[in-house]
Amino acid sequence: DAKTTQPNSMESNEEEPVHLPCNHSTISGTDYIHWYRQLPSQGPEYVIHGLTSNVNNRMASLAIAEDRKSSTLILHRATLRDAAVYYCILRVGISSGSARQLTFGSGTQLTVLP
Amino acid sequence: DAGVIQSPRHEVTEMGQEVTLRCKPISGHDYLFWYRQTMMRGLELLIYFNNNVPIDDSGMPEDRFSAKMPNASFSTLKIQPSEPRDSAVYFCASSRQGTGELFFGEGSRLTVL
Repeated sequence: DAKTTQPNSMESNEEEPVHLPCNHSTISGTDYIHWYRQLPSQGPEYVIHGLTSNVNNRMASLAIAEDRKSSTLILHRATLRDAAVYYCILRVGISSGSARQLTFGSGTQLTVLP
Repeated sequence: DAGVIQSPRHEVTEMGQEVTLRCKPISGHDYLFWYRQTMMRGLELLIYFNNNVPIDDSGMPEDRFSAKMPNASFSTLKIQPSEPRDSAVYFCASSRQGTGELFFGEGSRLTVL
């Protein structure tokens, strides 16, 4: 499985944008880039995913480098509730787009300062 | 939707006892995953099912662990006999074919004394 590399921790001020980086230099052409987050004492929660193009949803934006060897999760205005561990994960994709298992790394602990 | 439902939320047991964890996936989801989370090893996939059939159980640590999915709305993870090193939070997740999103339950925190 292709691996991802993320900083162990990051800090942000409340109401400011946050850019969470992820390196995945061994990504293959069919790997999807997924982001999940885990709030304290809760199960992981889906944030966003993409393949090649940048993606936006109500929670965040995902910017994918042109060579796909890195990506950035963007929280446009961090709130205290965004404090969590953020996981960047590669998922093997097949033509049917079936859900396959996700291998979680250690993620980035985001601290949001008031 | 009620989300993925796990029970019990907390379990404290003694070494050697049998432990059964339960999971009800989201209706209509055809994939079910069992994960374990510890401080030392993070989130590990134990086993996953597709349409009630186990697909990959390579993450199951030992023969003491077994998982079943008798129907589309119920799965169990059983540990027999339990050991202190099994103490962890066990998560169940479900997903639908063709989507990239896993929905996780709130987890079952197991403590084996």
